[in-house]
Amino acid sequence: QVQLQQWGAGLLKPSETLSLTCAVYGGSFSGYYWSWIRQPPGKGLEWIGEINHSGSTNYNPSLKSRVTISVDTSKNQFSLKLSSVTAADTAVYYCARGRVVVVAATIYYYYMDVWGKGTTVTVSS
Amino acid sequence: SSELTQDPAVSVALGQTVRITCQGDSLRSYYASWYQQKPGQAPVLVIYGKNNRPSGIPDRFSGSSSGNTASLTITGAQAEDEADYYCNSRDSSGNHGPVFGTGTKVTVL
Repeated sequence: QVQLQQWGAGLLKPSETLSLTCAVYGGSFSGYYWSWIRQPPGKGLEWIGEINHSGSTNYNPSLKSRVTISVDTSKNQFSLKLSSVTAADTAVYYCARGRVVVVAATIYYYYMDVWGKGTTVTVSS
Repeated sequence: SSELTQDPAVSVALGQTVRITCQGDSLRSYYASWYQQKPGQAPVLVIYGKNNRPSGIPDRFSGSSSGNTASLTITGAQAEDEADYYCNSRDSSGNHGPVFGTGTKVTVL
């Protein structure tokens, strides 16, 4: 059974860089999209970005200028860096495994079936 | 557009049926997936594809889709179904990344 274990600093000061890592245990790294998602206190889920096994990335346009996601396939890990954090970046951050399935020529489905437990990140001076 | 819109909250009597909807242009190309999130916990996938349930998800959860609207139905809601529910697909235009719905709080009375 695939499990995701995530870790990283939980308390940051404004302007610092958030850094989180997610390790994949019990499954293949290839064939999936590996995402970071966050959830501010009392709010909904926001997708941050994703990477595949070959290192191709895709970022939320609203965060793209500050986000870097990288992968280390030798360790089955992927990482998130978010620069110049502010209080608005305070949230629970999740890593997740995603998959796209092609049903027909223009019909697909996508799902995230494995999630990390989440890391609470607080930005405060 | 990459937005997925859900009703903020719905309530259902114990044992009755509730339907949660999700609307967005991307749903014309992608079947929605649905996640249940209880307080302090990570989201859990409950429905994906046309109407598929991961192992361990009760069969009272079902999904359907028509045009730009996806629905999650809980038939015979139980107290443990009280949670936030989010739909999800990928942006069918723009950067083609994942997008989440605004979330629906389900209260079981």
